[in-house]
Amino acid sequence: QKEVEQNSGPLSVPEGAIASLNCTYSDRGSQSFFWYRQYSGKSPELIMSIYSNGDKEDGRFTAQLNKASQYVSLLIRDSQPSDSATYLCAVHGSSNTGKLIFGQGTTLQVKP
Amino acid sequence: SQTIHQWPATLVQPVGSPLSLECTVEGTSNPNLYWYRQAAGRGLQLLFYSVGIGQISSEVPQNLSASRPQDRQFILSSKKLLLSDSGFYLCAWSVPGGDSPLHFGNGTRLTVT
Repeated sequence: QKEVEQNSGPLSVPEGAIASLNCTYSDRGSQSFFWYRQYSGKSPELIMSIYSNGDKEDGRFTAQLNKASQYVSLLIRDSQPSDSATYLCAVHGSSNTGKLIFGQGTTLQVKP
Repeated sequence: SQTIHQWPATLVQPVGSPLSLECTVEGTSNPNLYWYRQAAGRGLQLLFYSVGIGQISSEVPQNLSASRPQDRQFILSSKKLLLSDSGFYLCAWSVPGGDSPLHFGNGTRLTVT
């Protein structure tokens, strides 16, 4: 079982729709979770951090965390073509080494 | 504010040649430093990480090595490159401790021919 799993996609949504990206992780002791956006040929950019169960909103982005289910998601409201990118879920392991484990990423395509 | 510099941006090297990629961080002290590799169409693979000068942890066996000669400098090296070493190399830093996100440099696109 992979430590952090994401559906590779591509996930295709029309402009203005809500995009829902999902991630599961295997280390039950993980305490910090992140979403990164990576445009083609560029380095990953941090867009959301979440540490507690529930929802965290930042503009059009909402991160959702459910530690009991070992599940974290990212919702993008009013999706724009500029949101087309690969979204990486990342999880800190419980061993407190500072290592961040990444999922394979989900490619999002927002069609005008 | 903190910034991370990584160079070169692109590199084409023949098989068997040496490699040296450098990364420096400004605006913070004693950061955790990381080298990741991303093969084409693949996820991020952690290669090395460091929590202090001279302290390097290796995640995967390979012909690469890393060094941290100064607090905010991280170097990735190879004595002889393989074709399989081609990829996108990313340096990153984080605040010490286990909860902080990583912040990436712009990356180096390495093609081994």
